Amino acid sequence: ETGVTQSPTHLIKTRGQQVTLRCSSQSGHNTVSWYQQALGQGPQFIFQYYREEENGRGNFPPRFSGLQFPNYSSELNVNALELDDSALYLCASSPGSSGKGGTQYFGPGTRLTVL
Amino acid sequence: QKEVEQDPGPLSVPEGAIVSLNCTYSNSAFQYFMWYRQYSRKGPELLMYTYSSGNKEDGRFTAQVDKSSKYISLFIRDSQPSDSATYLCAMMRNQGGKLIFGQGTELSVKP
Repeated sequence: ETGVTQSPTHLIKTRGQQVTLRCSSQSGHNTVSWYQQALGQGPQFIFQYYREEENGRGNFPPRFSGLQFPNYSSELNVNALELDDSALYLCASSPGSSGKGGTQYFGPGTRLTVL
Repeated sequence: QKEVEQDPGPLSVPEGAIVSLNCTYSNSAFQYFMWYRQYSRKGPELLMYTYSSGNKEDGRFTAQVDKSSKYISLFIRDSQPSDSATYLCAMMRNQGGKLIFGQGTELSVKP
């Protein structure tokens, strides 16, 4: 069974640029959640996708957007990057038949640095 | 006030010690409680998952939830240097919903 994978591992961008981060969910999981973890802080919920539809969103501006594909992999897009967007971006997948699948399993994260 | 409060530490203990990690929370709607371990520059790894109040044991780890006090704990017995990591408490209202995390406690177990 393959766990959650994320790409790329590291990324350096400059202010104002756009970035796309990718996540492959664990086999059998149809729900994907994205979190932002600033240095020294706990992860903050960005949004969740269930069967290609957004299923909840945290307190993040609209320049944070996402997609989920038929194979349940997912993308996080961030437009107009700001310095404060520098963080570890975590993807978590969970199983479920109704978007309420329970335990979330995390990938290794993508470390984004904005200069 | 944050929904979930966790002492960031750092916490340093000798090998073999019993470690106690704690979180308090303000929202009585939380029903599911988790502890994750995160090694430096890695993703969080699920350690313990508990529904409602009570105790759960798994090897050297014991999780306790006291919903009446809005307080959860993780105990690590016979701590090992390999336990050195950041420990994150997390909770959610509904199964499969968003996780609300504490700040994380950095633990160092010295040989």
